[in-house]
Amino acid sequence: KAGVTQTPRYLIKTRGQQVTLSCSPISGHRSVSWYQQTPGQGLQFLFEYFSETQRNKGNFPGRFSGRQFSNSRSEMNVSTLELGDSALYLCASSPRTGKGSQETQYFGPGTRLLVL
Amino acid sequence: SQKIEQNSEALNIQEGKTATLTCNYTNYSPAYLQWYRQDPGRGPVFLLLIRENEKEKRKERLKVTFDTTLKQSLFHITASQPADSATYLCALMNTGFQKLVFGTGTRLLVSP
Repeated sequence: KAGVTQTPRYLIKTRGQQVTLSCSPISGHRSVSWYQQTPGQGLQFLFEYFSETQRNKGNFPGRFSGRQFSNSRSEMNVSTLELGDSALYLCASSPRTGKGSQETQYFGPGTRLLVL
Repeated sequence: SQKIEQNSEALNIQEGKTATLTCNYTNYSPAYLQWYRQDPGRGPVFLLLIRENEKEKRKERLKVTFDTTLKQSLFHITASQPADSATYLCALMNTGFQKLVFGTGTRLLVSP
């Protein structure tokens, strides 16, 4: 099976712009989670989508949003970019059954976003 | 407040020795704990999962222990190799299964 893919891999934006990142999960996986990774804060959970519905959300401002399509592909959007949004954004898929635990997370390679 | 702590200092060991990494947590009631490996520029890769009612789990040269009384997990790599050099992250899922919370990771350097 192909792994989790993320596009683009690298992105440079300026403050105030918005950005959309894309994630294609492993075939058959219905759960997609997004994480932000920075040297200071580590890996922080943004949100999880399951069957096109947001199931869980982390402690991030409303500028961070996402969605999931019927084929389980997911996008996340960050509006009004700030310098502090510079980070590695990781997407992970999971064969979550919807009945409980996320179990194993399969991560993509990430999108490195630099905000100038 | 809730915390997951891993040693932020890099762990340097010689090839062939056993590496032991620590993950401590406070104010969590874990359903399970996972360990991941992350190489530079790549996403984390799942290694092992241990549930709250399990004491120990093994997979090849890897061993994880889980002590819910001490609120600690230990991750061991026996007969370590330079290829084991990476950052190792622990992640905890609370009961209620809301979200996976990660520690900041410990960098392991194995010298030949």
